[in-house]
Amino acid sequence: QKEVEQNSGPLSVPEGAIASLNCTYSDRVSQSFFWYRQYSGKSPELIMSIYSNGDKEDGRFTAQLNKASQYVSLLIRDSQPSDSATYLCAVNGDYGGSQGNLIFGKGTKLSVKP
Amino acid sequence: DAGVTQSPTHLIKTRGQHVTLRCSPISGHKSVSWYQQVLGQGPQFIFQYYEKEERGRGNFPDRFSARQFPNYSSELNVNALLLGDSALYLCASTYRQGTFYEQYFGPGTRLTVT
Repeated sequence: QKEVEQNSGPLSVPEGAIASLNCTYSDRVSQSFFWYRQYSGKSPELIMSIYSNGDKEDGRFTAQLNKASQYVSLLIRDSQPSDSATYLCAVNGDYGGSQGNLIFGKGTKLSVKP
Repeated sequence: DAGVTQSPTHLIKTRGQHVTLRCSPISGHKSVSWYQQVLGQGPQFIFQYYEKEERGRGNFPDRFSARQFPNYSSELNVNALLLGDSALYLCASTYRQGTFYEQYFGPGTRLTVT
């Protein structure tokens, strides 16, 4: 059974701080890793994808992947109240041609306090 | 470009009834995946379709079925509804990024079974 684990939180950080969100996955052969942001009552929005070990930066977001430790993280710099949401970690669950099956963690709820 | 569209937005059904949910992927995307998200959990994979063929199926009972049409739109059907089928049903359109695939979600259909 392939699993993705996240701390459910809530994680509370002050405005302007760095928020650090973590995720571990069980299947060593996983190849694609994603972070989605989900506001209350809305659908998930893709904010980062990462496929190789190391860091990937996009604006205030940095995704970090360590395949040896089966660990993915998301850093949000200069956190804003508008970043308050649930962050979902997802890993591809199908290694065939279509890769249309994502396995999600339960999500970490982030609260950024003004 | 228009994103993923889903209809209806909300739906209330009674136990034992049947429901059909609809999805249109992003223009040019040929693959659609369906997910179920219950409150407090991450989305759970139901089906994936690519070029009208089923490419993956999650751990859901046979009451759940789907199909994809020549224009790549898709329907998810659920028969004999149970209270536990109450959830947000998400459709995702898959975009190929090199050798990897990214999924973009529609707004979802919130199904309530009474």
